[in-house]
Amino acid sequence: DIQMTQSPSTLSASVGDRVTITCRASQSVNSWLAWYQQKPGIAPKLLVYKASYLEIGVPSRFSGSGSGTEFTLTISSLQPDDSATYFCLQYNSYSSWTFGQGTKVEIK
Amino acid sequence: QLQLQESGPGLVKPSETLSLTCTVSGGSINNSPYYWGWIRQPPGKGLEWIGNVYYSGTTYYNPSLKSRVTISVDTSKNQFSLKLNSVTAADTAVYYCARDRSSGPYRDWGQGTLVTVSS
Repeated sequence: DIQMTQSPSTLSASVGDRVTITCRASQSVNSWLAWYQQKPGIAPKLLVYKASYLEIGVPSRFSGSGSGTEFTLTISSLQPDDSATYFCLQYNSYSSWTFGQGTKVEIK
Repeated sequence: QLQLQESGPGLVKPSETLSLTCTVSGGSINNSPYYWGWIRQPPGKGLEWIGNVYYSGTTYYNPSLKSRVTISVDTSKNQFSLKLNSVTAADTAVYYCARDRSSGPYRDWGQGTLVTVSS
């Protein structure tokens, strides 16, 4: 099974800051990596798929990068609405998908 | 617009079987090039992939749950279902159904339903 290690588990930043979240895979997932945003009581929202492709309607301040085993989600200028928990998901094979543990982003 | 809605008992006794159904509207499961999945989230914790099903009935399960899980599809009702047997308190979670974006991750999600395992 592929394990996903996400870091940090929490971060606190100010409005306008550049924020980076990392996901590391225990083995290569090529570019089959997605990022989700989840707010309390609401289903996750897809932000990025195939490592770097922005889902339609997602603000351009979000971007994804990486391949193989190391991936990042970057928020270029943190906004108050970005306060949420972010999860990565590897979907390298339909036989086994794995979520990261999540990163809670708080606004200072 | 595609909509997914989970339904089923909100309370299940330990050792019994948890059964949920996801009803799809605004799109057809039959002959669609998508995988349909179940995901769960224990209160205050992260997301756990349970498994995926294709309209043909092909299924894939999380290895850690495989011995207890069955996911099936009913194209005539435009529904797919989850059964998890021998439940314990550790299976208490919000259960989501979702559809992938065709060779991609889940894009469309249901609102989720809380299932509590308790006597």
